[in-house]
Amino acid sequence: EPEVTQTPSHQVTQMGQEVILRCVPISNHLYFYWYRQILGQKVEFLVSFYNNEISEKSEIFDDQFSVERPDGSNFTLKIRSTKLEDSAMYFCASSVVRGMDGYTFGSGTRLTVV
Amino acid sequence: QKEVEQDPGPLSVPEGAIVSLNCTYSNSAFQYFMWYRQYSRKGPELLMYTYSSGNKEDGRFTAQVDKSSKYISLFIRDSQPSDSATYLCAMQDGGATNKLIFGTGTLLAVQP
Repeated sequence: EPEVTQTPSHQVTQMGQEVILRCVPISNHLYFYWYRQILGQKVEFLVSFYNNEISEKSEIFDDQFSVERPDGSNFTLKIRSTKLEDSAMYFCASSVVRGMDGYTFGSGTRLTVV
Repeated sequence: QKEVEQDPGPLSVPEGAIVSLNCTYSNSAFQYFMWYRQYSRKGPELLMYTYSSGNKEDGRFTAQVDKSSKYISLFIRDSQPSDSATYLCAMQDGGATNKLIFGTGTLLAVQP
């Protein structure tokens, strides 16, 4: 069964450092998303991406965050200057159409900012 | 009032029991309703997807949506220890936004 692949599974970084989280969505999917889940809290929407541009972003997704689809397969989330409160699980997801069939999520990257 | 509310549990049941998981919501614009299962330190896995009110069945799982009451349910029949996980409800308005709004999740433990 096709799956969304995320790397790395766990990243530890120093506060203030830049991190890039990587995702390979399912190949025929057109819509891409990043969500995050702080430990013990609900899964929260960060950003959606379609046709090489951001289609929607949440208030969490400030200027410290950016997304990119550098080639035909990868989808990345960059955090420019990490803060302690950025520590969370980050999930990439993709869907064929505009989310109406449910998304397929990756296994996540656990980001720990120290 | 939170947009989506879900009892966090934990809910512990014996193997073979019928499990009922529920969410309430406040936004009447929601039209698409999903249930995800999440094992520890893994991503959410889509279990059921329904549009508008009604029931949908898939094997041991039944999803119900009552839009008039703003209430959705997931029933698991003949529960198994492998069903032990966190169950997340999620909703979407299907309009200008395609983001999912999640509940906090209910932790289910099925005891053998």
